[in-house]
Amino acid sequence: GQSLEQPSEVTAVEGAIVQINCTYQTSGFYGLSWYQQHDGGAPTFLSYNALDGLEETGRFSSFLSRSDSYGYLLLQELQMKDSASYFCAVGTGRRALTFGSGTRLQVQP
Amino acid sequence: DAGITQSPRHKVTETGTPVTLRCHQTENHRYMYWYRQDPGHGLRLIHYSYGVKDTDKGEVSDGYSVSRSKTEDFLLTLESATSSQTSVYFCAIWAGRDDQPQHFGDGTRLSIL
Repeated sequence: GQSLEQPSEVTAVEGAIVQINCTYQTSGFYGLSWYQQHDGGAPTFLSYNALDGLEETGRFSSFLSRSDSYGYLLLQELQMKDSASYFCAVGTGRRALTFGSGTRLQVQP
Repeated sequence: DAGITQSPRHKVTETGTPVTLRCHQTENHRYMYWYRQDPGHGLRLIHYSYGVKDTDKGEVSDGYSVSRSKTEDFLLTLESATSSQTSVYFCAIWAGRDDQPQHFGDGTRLSIL
């Protein structure tokens, strides 16, 4: 089976940097993805790591260490619009995704 | 816009009635997925399809069936809805390439009274 652990809530101030960690246990692994979801909205793709290391996309970066079954999402220059839930997800067979329970990020002025 | 349309967007129905949710894509992708999302949970996979008439079960498939008779449509059916199936249902598609992520529809909010 698969399981992912991530913090339930994180609070940070505008302009700051925040890191959301994700640890996983999985019997099959096809990369670690990150999704953002605003209240009432659909998950939207942020970043994907198939191999170890750092992937950077604008203000967002994601890191993966397969040997540690660990990854994180780094959000820089936080903006109020970044207040949302963030999910890590592991790709499994036929790329079905197993999601963590989500981290609710609250950005304060 | 990933070309995914879910219908209906909202539905309220009674316990014991059949319910069918539709996911329509315009991208001609091979892979389609149904997830449900409940408060305090991430999305959980119900069923998925890897081609016309090719489907498989996910983590929470009990009480659900699916059909895919055309590439563009993936139907999720609750044969006899129960209150525990009250949830938000998301459809997703995947192009089948490692450099492409899954894209999600806007969701269907289903309430079973």
